[in-house]
Amino acid sequence: AQSVSQHNHHVILSEAASLELGCNYSYGGTVNLFWYVQYPGQHLQLLLKYFSGDPLVKGIKGFEAEFIKSKFSFNLRKPSVQWSDTAEYFCAVNANNAGNMLTFGGGTRLMVKP
Amino acid sequence: EPEVTQTPSHQVTQMGQEVILRCVPISNHLYFYWYRQILGQKVEFLVSFYNNEISEKSEIFDDQFSVERPDGSNFTLKIRSTKLEDSAMYFCASTSTAGDTDTQYFGPGTRLTVL
Repeated sequence: AQSVSQHNHHVILSEAASLELGCNYSYGGTVNLFWYVQYPGQHLQLLLKYFSGDPLVKGIKGFEAEFIKSKFSFNLRKPSVQWSDTAEYFCAVNANNAGNMLTFGGGTRLMVKP
Repeated sequence: EPEVTQTPSHQVTQMGQEVILRCVPISNHLYFYWYRQILGQKVEFLVSFYNNEISEKSEIFDDQFSVERPDGSNFTLKIRSTKLEDSAMYFCASTSTAGDTDTQYFGPGTRLTVL
């Protein structure tokens, strides 16, 4: 069965710092990869997704993620965070032989200090 | 921008009672899902629904759970006899096609508290 790991549970950064959140998955086949964000009191929103092609994908709000197949990783990055990026970030994977279900990581709670 | 909506936002119930959680998916979407997140744990897949029938379900989705699309807009999750361990945030999601390459759009969730 596929699984997703997010190693950082809590991250605290100051504004303008660079961000990298790790995501690793365990599945040997073809996968679709997603990062979702949940701002306080709001629903899960899609930040970006990777299905195929260029392994460096750009999403909304200046976020990007790089798919490294050999490392089974899909890390999320942002060069300069803002206070408004304070949220919980979830990595999710859909394995192409697992129908449409998403398998989520445990989430990373990011706090950006002004 | 169209959104998935869910009602109620918070439901409190007594153990053993039946609850129905409601979702209105995005109007042209065809695939519907329920996920749950127990406090402090991962978001877990429960069930997917397409063409008026369940297409996949997880081990969590036992006989206590059922889903229904009673009309053209609502998608419901029923828990027949709630247990304390059913306390969680329940998220509905939908996608616009039957393929597994499309994005799931999530609702705001219903927080279920079983006393």
